[in-house]
Amino acid sequence: QKEVEQNSGPLSVPEGAIASLNCTYSDRGSQSFFWYRQYSGKSPELIMFIYSNGDKEDGRFTAQLNKASQYVSLLIRDSQPSDSATYLCAVYSGAGSYQLTFGKGTKLSVIP
Amino acid sequence: DTGVSQDPRHKITKRGQNVTFRCDPISEHNRLYWYRQTLGQGPEFLTYFQNEAQLEKSRLLSDRFSAERPKGSFSTLEIQRTEQGDSAMYLCASEELAGASTDTQYFGPGTRLTVL
Repeated sequence: QKEVEQNSGPLSVPEGAIASLNCTYSDRGSQSFFWYRQYSGKSPELIMFIYSNGDKEDGRFTAQLNKASQYVSLLIRDSQPSDSATYLCAVYSGAGSYQLTFGKGTKLSVIP
Repeated sequence: DTGVSQDPRHKITKRGQNVTFRCDPISEHNRLYWYRQTLGQGPEFLTYFQNEAQLEKSRLLSDRFSAERPKGSFSTLEIQRTEQGDSAMYLCASEELAGASTDTQYFGPGTRLTVL
C-alpha cells in the first residue's frame, strides 16, 4: 500500500522565520510531488509541485526532492501569520493510476 | 469564476437517506476526480473520470456510492442509504490532460456532508 507520511505537528514558528515541512513516501516509483495548503474548513489549494531531484523555488516557497531517500520537503521563508494552515503533501505514482495519495498534513502556526 | 464549483456546499441528512452532489470542473479539463476527507486526515481518492469514462475506483467506494459524468462535463456523486460514517468533506478536483507527469489537480470548495 502506498503511503505518504507527514509529521502532524503542530509546528510553531515565529513570524519572519523559516518553516520547514517534511514528507516521506513509500512508493519508490513515484513521479511527481505536490504541496497543497489547506485553511481550516476550506479545500486544498496548490502551492507548488516538483518532479526532479533538487530544489525548486517559487517566491517564498522552496520545494526539495530527494528520490533516493524518498523524501520531499517544503521551506517557507519569511513566514507570515497568513501562512498558518495545514500543509498537505501529495504524491502521484504514475503507472497507470492518476490518483494522488495524500499525507495527513502538517499544521503550521506562525506566531506574530 | 472559472474554478471548480461544487453544489451544495453543505448537506445535512438523516441516516438512510440518499444524497447527490454535483461538481462542475474547470472548462475543458478532461479529468475529474472525487476525494473524501475526514477531520485530521488528508483527502482519500474515491474515483476519477477521463471525459465521460470512469477509469478508476477506490476500494473505499462501496456499492452505495455511484458517480457519473454523462457528457464529459459536470459530474455527480450519489450516496445511497447514508450512514453516519459517510460524514465527511467530499472534494472534487479537475485536471487538464496535457500528457505530462506534472498535470495538476485543482480542487473545488467541497461539499460538507453531515449524516445524523
